[in-house]
Amino acid sequence: KNEVEQSPQNLTAQEGEFITINCSYSVGISALHWLQQHPGGGIVSLFMLSSGKKKHGRLIATINIQEKHSSLHITASHPRDSAVYICAVRGGTAGNKLTFGGGTRVLVKP
Amino acid sequence: NAGVTQTPKFQVLKTGQSMTLQCAQDMNHNSMYWYRQDPGMGLRLIYYSASEGTTDKGEVPNGYNVSRLNKREFSLRLESAAPSQTSVYFCASRGTGGNYGYTFGSGTRLTVV
Repeated sequence: KNEVEQSPQNLTAQEGEFITINCSYSVGISALHWLQQHPGGGIVSLFMLSSGKKKHGRLIATINIQEKHSSLHITASHPRDSAVYICAVRGGTAGNKLTFGGGTRVLVKP
Repeated sequence: NAGVTQTPKFQVLKTGQSMTLQCAQDMNHNSMYWYRQDPGMGLRLIYYSASEGTTDKGEVPNGYNVSRLNKREFSLRLESAAPSQTSVYFCASRGTGGNYGYTFGSGTRLTVV
């Protein structure tokens, strides 16, 4: 079993819809990161969380340390949100290195 | 613009050739990392450097060497390229302390034929 599991693997939404991506992990961590990667593009760090909730524009990330679970929400989704979203945790068996989830491919249709 | 700069962006090598991927950051970060990304495999750590003068193996170090030339620069070398090293390579850096996130370079798409 992977230490970091994301769901769903793929997601298609209509423009304007609310999107939720989930990330579960199986070890104790010091921080959880959400990353965004556009097709053929680089990787951008969206959030780093160790507790609670963070918001940036239309993106909201939450984490529940007790349940070892995090969610990334996209409100009022737009075609430019189409990307792969990657959850990564720091800590656990990897120490200060990141362990990555498999990514969620999001497609937002106009 | 501040960030992580990787060169080259694209490279085609013949099997057995060598090359060095360059990475530099101007954020005064202590930690630097090299990852490879393959379809269906996600990101995997090749080597990392927790601070200037130190390097350590990651998950998939075989076939690679690294040099932390100074605090800014962390290079990845393929001594004898193999088709299995065809991948997209990302360099990343991170500052010290618990509140620093990661900054990634734009990637190097390497094809070994």
